[in-house]
Amino acid sequence: KNEVEQSPQNLTAQEGEFITINCSYSVGISALHWLQQHPGGGIVSLFMLSSGKKKHGRLIATINIQEKHSSLHITASHPRDSAVYICAVTPVDSNYQLIWGAGTKLIIKP
Amino acid sequence: GAVVSQHPSWVICKSGTSVKIECRSLDFQATTMFWYRQFPKQSLMLMATSNEGSKATYEQGVEKDKFLINHASLTLSTLTVTSAHPEDSSFYICSAQGGNPYEQYFGPGTRLTVT
Repeated sequence: KNEVEQSPQNLTAQEGEFITINCSYSVGISALHWLQQHPGGGIVSLFMLSSGKKKHGRLIATINIQEKHSSLHITASHPRDSAVYICAVTPVDSNYQLIWGAGTKLIIKP
Repeated sequence: GAVVSQHPSWVICKSGTSVKIECRSLDFQATTMFWYRQFPKQSLMLMATSNEGSKATYEQGVEKDKFLINHASLTLSTLTVTSAHPEDSSFYICSAQGGNPYEQYFGPGTRLTVT
């Protein structure tokens, strides 16, 4: 079993829909990251969380440390949100190396 | 926000040649940089961790003589793929860590094609 599990693997939705991507992990963590990778390949860091909730524009990330679970939400989704969204964690016993989820491929249709 | 650049963004080279990829932190000092490679439709795989002024730490299965990493300054790390083979064709991404050790800033990646 992977230490970081994401669901769903693939998600196709219509423009305007509310999107939720989930991430569960099985190790103790110092931080959890949500990242976005567009088809061109470059990775953008969206959020780094250690507790609670963060919001940036139409993106919201939440984390429940007790349940070892995080969600990434996109409100009013748009085709330009189409990308792979990756959850990664920094384990407490690491030298800040990340453990990566497999990613969720999101396609937003106009 | 913190910006990390990579150069070149893509490169095509012939088998047997060496290719150098640069990773720069543009507006912060990066004490640690990470090098990843990614095959199509797969997750990023950590290759090595480099700290300024010291030897890189390579992950198991990564040939240090093939993938030479030099972290010469707090803003520059380089990855040199020596004697490249077609199976080295991949997407290489670096990330840099600044003052907050839990934050990593990613470069845009370099696509290497070896013919």
